[in-house]
Amino acid sequence: QEQLVQSGSEVKKPGASVTISCKASGYTFTKYPIHWVRQAPGQGLEWMGWINTNSGNPTYAQDFTGRFVFSLDTSVQTAYLQISSLKPGDIGVYYCATQIASAGALDYWGPGTLVTVSS
Amino acid sequence: DIQMSQSPSSVSASVGDRVIITCRASQGVNTWLAWYQQKPGKAPKLLIYAASRLQTGAPSRFSGSGSGTDFTLTISSLQPEDFATYFCQQANTFPLLTFGGGTKVEMK
Repeated sequence: QEQLVQSGSEVKKPGASVTISCKASGYTFTKYPIHWVRQAPGQGLEWMGWINTNSGNPTYAQDFTGRFVFSLDTSVQTAYLQISSLKPGDIGVYYCATQIASAGALDYWGPGTLVTVSS
Repeated sequence: DIQMSQSPSSVSASVGDRVIITCRASQGVNTWLAWYQQKPGKAPKLLIYAASRLQTGAPSRFSGSGSGTDFTLTISSLQPEDFATYFCQQANTFPLLTFGGGTKVEMK
């Protein structure tokens, strides 16, 4: 069955970098996009952007340009989110998700990765 | 960019109540609208896509309607497991997405 598994929680100091992984299984990885969504503590869902898993081309939402990088390793069916120069405002849960069968909607989600930024 | 607004931001209801949540888009999105349910500490779960299509496995007490700029999510008879936060999401510009701010359904 289709599944997305994410890497575990991270605690980083301000200015550091973090990389979150999202491993897909149960479907053809390169057929469907991977989206990234952030949820700050007690807040709503922010769409960060998506990566075309066939071409590797990323697209970033306006608020997530510069310090955020989406990448892939198709040999292991895994997508990555790297955040550099971490700030306290980056604290939150980061989700990967994909759209397989439901037009225009994200029907499979990873469990989320909590990123904490603290000195 | 298309902005999505939800109302109310929270609603207090009892088991068995009919609950209606609305979502408004800043410009028309046809029927490219999805609804998600999120419980604390869990990933969002897709309930409705294409404005009115029930996701496989979602209970039939959930229904969606609307097109253009105004949409509703209806829970016909609230169950204990339905106390959660609900988000709408437009996909008219898919794969560019926008989420609404969320509606928390709380126990009265």
